Amino acid sequence: DGGITQSPKYLFRKEGQNVTLSCEQNLNHDAMYWYRQDPGQGLRLIYYSQIVNDFQKGDIAEGYSVSREKKESFPLTVTSAQKNPTAFYLCASSIDLYWNTEAFFGQGTRLTVV
Amino acid sequence: AQSVSQHNHHVILSEAASLELGCNYSYGGTVNLFWYVQYPGQHLQLLLKYFSGDPLVKGIKGFEAEFIKSKFSFNLRKPSVQWSDTAEYFCAVTGGTNAGKSTFGDGTTLTVKP
Repeated sequence: DGGITQSPKYLFRKEGQNVTLSCEQNLNHDAMYWYRQDPGQGLRLIYYSQIVNDFQKGDIAEGYSVSREKKESFPLTVTSAQKNPTAFYLCASSIDLYWNTEAFFGQGTRLTVV
Repeated sequence: AQSVSQHNHHVILSEAASLELGCNYSYGGTVNLFWYVQYPGQHLQLLLKYFSGDPLVKGIKGFEAEFIKSKFSFNLRKPSVQWSDTAEYFCAVTGGTNAGKSTFGDGTTLTVKP
């Protein structure tokens, strides 16, 4: 089945540690995105990538980093610089970055800082 | 910056009641509009979308939405809700300066009582 796989589903991190969230898609989509979902705040865009080896900051990129070395993979690193990292993280993809395409989402990773 | 407003944060209905969830967006140019749904424990998925043409669009599970350009609105409706419609609903828009990147509303949690 085609889709987006995020792992792990739950992740616990100690303060001061970096952690990497995995996102893989087999939809052959060019564009990929990372969103953060907090209760009552909807989805906020962290980073997005239009093509391999290219990515851009979204609305709340501080404290996060990404890479796009392969078309199907777009890992997100939550660094120790992120002040409030506990959240639900969603990865998404779309055919391209043009505006008439919908996004497909993974099942999310819930990160808790302990 | 582009924004999306959802008027109701939490809606509670009894089965068979009619549903209307409000969504307004800020961009005055050409946009594409989406409603996504997140059922408990499941990934975010597309409910319906509007790109062009008939402003009344029909989606899955009996949902429909009407695009009213003059009001910058894209309200979601269902004549008779079921317990299984309990979920979180997100309105999103692409277009304008954001191109293919989706801007999401804060979400509406719908609880349907059996």
